[in-house]
Parts: sequence; C-alpha cells; structure tokens
Amino acid sequence: GQQVMQIPQYQHVQEGEDFTTYCNSSTTLSNIQWYKQRPGGHPVFLIQLVKSGEVKKQKRLTFQFGEAKKNSSLHITATQTTDVGTYFCAVIHITTSGTYKYIFGTGTRLKVLA
Amino acid sequence: GAGVSQSPSNKVTEKGKDVELRCDPISGHTALYWYRQSLGQGLEFLIYFQGNSAPDKSGLPSDRFSAERTGGSVSTLTIQRTQQEDSAVYLCASSLGDVNTQYFGPGTRLTVL
Repeated sequence: GQQVMQIPQYQHVQEGEDFTTYCNSSTTLSNIQWYKQRPGGHPVFLIQLVKSGEVKKQKRLTFQFGEAKKNSSLHITATQTTDVGTYFCAVIHITTSGTYKYIFGTGTRLKVLA
Repeated sequence: GAGVSQSPSNKVTEKGKDVELRCDPISGHTALYWYRQSLGQGLEFLIYFQGNSAPDKSGLPSDRFSAERTGGSVSTLTIQRTQQEDSAVYLCASSLGDVNTQYFGPGTRLTVL
C-alpha cells in the first residue's frame, strides 16, 4: 500500500538556523498538505500543494512539491522558538473501493534552542 | 464561527469498560475523520465519513472500535472492552469535502488503567 515517509524524525536547531523536513511517497500524489502541531496541541493546516514543481511561501516558510509529485519539502528560514512543534505532511489515498482517506507522514519534531 | 469540538477532553477508564467519544464538526462540513495519536507518535487514521456515503472503516484496529455519525453532523467513536493499548489522544477533524483542509478538534485524551 501507499507509504509516506518523513525525514528527519527529529531535528534540534539553534535559533536563527534553517530547518528542512522532507516527505516522500512511494506513489505519485494528487496533492499534498502540510500541518503543524504545537506541543500539547492539535494539528493545524498550513498549506496544500497541487501542481508539479509548485513552490509556495508563507513568510519564513517555503513549501515545495517535487516535479514527479512524489515528494515535498518544508523549509523554514531563520527558525524562531515559535516554530517548535511537529510538522506533518498528509496525502490523499484513494482506496480500492473508491473512497478517499488521508495518510499522514510520521512527522518531524522540531526543537529550537534559544 | 465555532471550530471542531470534542468531548470529553480527558477520559480515564478501567480496562474492560466501554467508552464513548464525541465529535461536533464545523457546521456544513460534510467530511469527518477520526484519528488516534499515541504519545509522541504520528496520526493513525481510524474512520472517515463523507456525506451519506458508507463510512471508510479501513483504519479501525479491531472490532472493539465502532463509530457512527448521526444526521450527517455529530459523530461518536465507541471503544468496547477497552485495553491499555487503547490509551492515546483521539482526534476528530472535519472538512468541506474530500480533499479540502482538515480542521482538527482539541482531541480526547483516553487513559485506560
């Protein structure tokens, strides 16, 4: 079945350093979503990418969808302590019965050291 | 407007007891999802409701788990004969359609003693 791998699993950075997490799929994706979960909180939607090679920016966050639509990355420039949390990618899986469900990546837990 | 709400926020139960977890989605959202998240882990898909279609139950870990959605709105996740490995945070999310943004509730933290 479809698998979604995220790397790295954990990342500790000094405040001000950059951070990147990668999401890789074994199959071609129709789209990909990114979510952020603060410690003790619930996942919050960040962005959705649909087009091959698409790049979207939100302030210090840059999201990219691979040309083959099998991978995606989230890059944070000059991390701040407010960036702490776990970042998940989510992809849509179409089941054999034609229904949809989301498969979430394993997540990358980011810790920012002040 | 109001977001997704879940109740209770915390539930402590004894092994073998049944529990019911409730989710109130955002009004007008046709899709509703249940996920389970163990401590420090990712999100495990449990079940998905979309409109009047039959739910996708492919993620339910055993027949002790069931869920229903009444009137296309409120959903209840029931776990029968709870086991210690059922301890986790149960998250509910709703969205306008199949492939739209999911809005998550605050979750129910279930502890089975």
